[in-house]
Amino acid sequence: QKEVEQDPGPLSVPEGAIVSLNCTYSNSAFQYFMWYRQYSRKGPELLMYTYSSGNKEDGRFTAQVDKSSKYISLFIRDSQPSDSATYLCAMLNTNAGKSTFGDGTTLTVKP
Amino acid sequence: DVKVTQSSRYLVKRTGEKVFLECVQDMDHENMFWYRQDPGLGLRLIYFSYDVKMKEKGDIPEGYSVSREKKERFSLILESASTNQTSMYLCASIRGGSGANVLTFGAGSRLTVL
Repeated sequence: QKEVEQDPGPLSVPEGAIVSLNCTYSNSAFQYFMWYRQYSRKGPELLMYTYSSGNKEDGRFTAQVDKSSKYISLFIRDSQPSDSATYLCAMLNTNAGKSTFGDGTTLTVKP
Repeated sequence: DVKVTQSSRYLVKRTGEKVFLECVQDMDHENMFWYRQDPGLGLRLIYFSYDVKMKEKGDIPEGYSVSREKKERFSLILESASTNQTSMYLCASIRGGSGANVLTFGAGSRLTVL
């Protein structure tokens, strides 16, 4: 079983919709929780990261972590066509020194 | 901004050829990583390095080797390329020490092995 499971998608939504992207994990040693965005033919780039349970907001993006349920989510409000990309969740155990990634969810926002 | 540069964006090689993928970062990061990315399989760690001349196997090191002779440069080597190594290869770097939680990725090298 994978340590990190991500909702597979693909996801297609109309412009302006609220999008929810989700990952679950099994390793309690994960300390940092990240979301990366990857546009076609580009490398992933960091979107947001959190350290503790709760919500973190950055503009139209909200990252949510529930350590008790081992569940993280990324919410996108008022989605735009420019949000169309693959979103990767990632989790870091600093003792192991490496991140573990979900498989990614491809999002398309239609104008 | 940290920049991670992968020298080759697209390569086409033949089975059995030796392949070098080069990665350079410009922010004096201690840690560097090589991943491959395949549809349905996500990002899988091949090798990583904490310091010059140090290397650690990741989750799928078979068929690959690495070289880190200088802090800024981390090379991935396919000694004898095979068709199942056709993939997108991503290099990343990260500052060492506590709280170092953000990977910076290069743009990727798409390798096709015929």
